[in-house]
Amino acid sequence: SAVISQKPSRDICQRGTSLTIQCQVDSQVTMMFWYRQQPGQSLTLIATANQGSEATYESGFVIDKFPISRPNLTFSTLTVSNMSPEDSSIYLCSVSVYREQPQHFGDGTRLSIL
Amino acid sequence: SQQGEEDPQALSIQEGENATMNCSYKTSINNLQWYRQNSGRGLVHLILIRSNEREKHSGRLRVTLDTSKKSSSLLITASRAADTASYFCATGSPETGANSKLTFGKGITLSVRP
Repeated sequence: SAVISQKPSRDICQRGTSLTIQCQVDSQVTMMFWYRQQPGQSLTLIATANQGSEATYESGFVIDKFPISRPNLTFSTLTVSNMSPEDSSIYLCSVSVYREQPQHFGDGTRLSIL
Repeated sequence: SQQGEEDPQALSIQEGENATMNCSYKTSINNLQWYRQNSGRGLVHLILIRSNEREKHSGRLRVTLDTSKKSSSLLITASRAADTASYFCATGSPETGANSKLTFGKGITLSVRP
């Protein structure tokens, strides 16, 4: 399975600032996804990162708040903009090599906003 | 919205016992997947079962799928303390098709006592 490196692993940020999370895969993958996991909760899909085009966002998530880039088949970034304490969560990148195949996850970025 | 609903929400067993976790879902699916999450880490894919399959095995894991009842079960046999984790079911639906998006349930916390 693909090896996924996610950076940073954790961060503590000030209210109103932005943070960019990186997701690097050791092989080319078809699908890349970004999830949010709020404390004690399940995973919620933020968006599908599309290579060379704009990400596809789920209901309740917007590009201005969570801009996503995917310049190639092995790398993606998620920015959490203008952060507030409600954005304190674990953010996870996942990849799928082929359609309808298992998704493989990075270790996540644990984000706390003061 | 979350499709999968696992039960029980929490399960505590003795090492060596079997653990059975259930997942119910609401709409039609292409596949159902089970994941494990150790505290503070990313998710690890355990097993994928397709909508035309009824049972799959992987080591000490056995998964069943009943599409008529829209339910699945995960059985871990001869549990070990290292199986202590949160377990999530996730469904892929025909509507998402090529996007391979997953909808996660709320998760089950399994504690295996040494």
